[in-house]
Amino acid sequence: NAGVTQTPKFRVLKTGQSMTLLCAQDMNHEYMYWYRQDPGMGLRLIHYSVGEGTTAKGEVPDGYNVSRLKKQNFLLGLESAAPSQTSVYFCASSPMPGQDISGANVLTFGAGSRLTVL
Amino acid sequence: RKEVEQDPGPFNVPEGATVAFNCTYSNSASQSFFWYRQDCRKEPKLLMSVYSSGNEDGRFTAQLNRASQYISLLIRDSKLSDSATYLCVVTPTSGTYKYIFGTGTRLKVLA
Repeated sequence: NAGVTQTPKFRVLKTGQSMTLLCAQDMNHEYMYWYRQDPGMGLRLIHYSVGEGTTAKGEVPDGYNVSRLKKQNFLLGLESAAPSQTSVYFCASSPMPGQDISGANVLTFGAGSRLTVL
Repeated sequence: RKEVEQDPGPFNVPEGATVAFNCTYSNSASQSFFWYRQDCRKEPKLLMSVYSSGNEDGRFTAQLNRASQYISLLIRDSKLSDSATYLCVVTPTSGTYKYIFGTGTRLKVLA
């Protein structure tokens, strides 16, 4: 199983450009998340989704938009990139509580997307 | 106060040593607890879930102390390959989407 796949793995943008990060999971998970990780800051939640067609804001949503048109895909968009958005972006997914018969509700991450905004 | 706090380290230990990390959490209603491992420039990966009665997986032992609101991770017989950052993760309530991450504790195992 591929698990959680993110594309692209690396991207360099100029200030003001737009781009979309794609996340795909093949584990039939209901919940999907976008995090960013910066040195010394830990993982911070940008947006999340609790099911197909739903999205919600996390801790640091400004400057980002998301869509979940299909259960397996969660897209993160930057409409007008800024240098402050230079970061490593991780997508993750988890089963809905009760969906995982082990009860663990483990969060599974993609390999990350490194974005540099000049 | 942060919801989940960890000592950032680094913990520098020789091969074969035993090392322990603690992680404190502020919400007494927290439900689920995990240790994740993150290698440099890689994604976090689940090391182990932490159960109320404590649990062991090979050289790794995790404990939960609800009264003092901390979880611990003990690594015995450290290997060079254990060098990584260890993230403490807590879900504050049951039936929730929310995972709260500590900033991680860095471990370096020295030859």
